[in-house]
Amino acid sequence: GQQVMQIPQYQHVQEGEDFTTYCNSSTTLSNIQWYKQRPGGHPVFLIQLVKSGEVKKQKRLTFQFGEAKKNSSLHITATQTTDVGTYFCAGRNAGNNRKLIWGLGTSLAVNP
Amino acid sequence: DVKVTQSSRYLVKRTGEKVFLECVQDMDHENMFWYRQDPGLGLRLIYFSYDVKMKEKGDIPEGYSVSREKKERFSLILESASTNQTSMYLCASRTPLGYTFGSGTRLTVV
Repeated sequence: GQQVMQIPQYQHVQEGEDFTTYCNSSTTLSNIQWYKQRPGGHPVFLIQLVKSGEVKKQKRLTFQFGEAKKNSSLHITATQTTDVGTYFCAGRNAGNNRKLIWGLGTSLAVNP
Repeated sequence: DVKVTQSSRYLVKRTGEKVFLECVQDMDHENMFWYRQDPGLGLRLIYFSYDVKMKEKGDIPEGYSVSREKKERFSLILESASTNQTSMYLCASRTPLGYTFGSGTRLTVV
């Protein structure tokens, strides 16, 4: 079945360092969404990317959607302790868009 | 802001009990979802509903059923709870810009 692979599974950084998580889909996506889940919390929607090659920024967060609409990345510049959590990508299949296909998430730990 | 409310934050039930998890959204959305979240396994879709009385199986429906009698309410039912159903259960409603999740119900089956 369709899969969305997300790497790395864990990342431990010093505060101020950059962080990137990557998602790769086995099939073409119509869009991809990113969510953040704080420890003990629930996933919270961050952004949706729709267009091939799209790049969006939210303060220190930069989101990219690949040209082939099969991969995406989230980059955080100069991490802060408030960035701690698990970041999930979730793609919608171009052929069957009823469900989101979720990556397993990247857990980010930030040392102050 | 869309609000998705799950009735219980923590629940402890005995093996074999019938368990109801309730979820209510306040924005008249058609699509609602039930997930379970387990360490290392991410979010796994149990059931979803795209309209009243409409339901569709997700990836792991075994041992579960759902009810959608009114648009705002989507209930997950564990017909006969088992210890392997101990998990965090998350309800979500689909908005035009992504899913809004409830705070989750941590269910322990003993």
